[in-house]
Amino acid sequence: GAVVSQHPSWVICKSGTSVKIECRSLDFQATTMFWYRQFPKQSLMLMATSNEGSKATYEQGVEKDKFLINHASLTLSTLTVTSAHPEDSSFYICSARSGTPTEAFFGQGTRLTVV
Amino acid sequence: EDQVTQSPEALRLQEGESSSLNCSYTVSGLRGLFWYRQDPGKGPEFLFTLYSAGEEKEKERLKATLTKKESFLHITAPKPEDSATYLCAVQARSNNDMRFGAGTRLTVKP
Repeated sequence: GAVVSQHPSWVICKSGTSVKIECRSLDFQATTMFWYRQFPKQSLMLMATSNEGSKATYEQGVEKDKFLINHASLTLSTLTVTSAHPEDSSFYICSARSGTPTEAFFGQGTRLTVV
Repeated sequence: EDQVTQSPEALRLQEGESSSLNCSYTVSGLRGLFWYRQDPGKGPEFLFTLYSAGEEKEKERLKATLTKKESFLHITAPKPEDSATYLCAVQARSNNDMRFGAGTRLTVKP
């Protein structure tokens, strides 16, 4: 299957700082990328969908000013958690798809801990 | 609104004991149904895509089937390494995103 690389795999930051997470499709062009958040023993919660070159579409209840998503190229999307607080601590996962209908491939996830 | 319900929430099997996981869905026009496997602390790993009722796909000990209302993931003679959370997701024709069920946490004991 296709490979999606997510970086970093874990990060610890101080409250009030910003953290950037990268998601790259290594061997295909991702026209659509998704960002999810996952709490322990729970399923994936879709945060936003982004198409290359256009603004991300955020799910209801997700603060677009806090979770900045950029999909500048067909192989890279970034999620920036701005002014992070302890309640933002979670497992963030990206996925990428080359078209519809096709399956989406996931990155390894990023464990964010805000102290 | 699109809904995906997986059952059971957790399943414990002995090695070699075959069983099935269920994914019931409500969607306004199914574009595709997807099965993933997720190990703790990792991103989901793609297993299957099913597009239409009656379709079946197999991979090693796993077989996925699809009807108009649900999908089953059959596990034949499971091994301890099959222990994981299995996630089902659907994509509707009307939108671009994938909706996930809560998952079934499978434990296979030797």
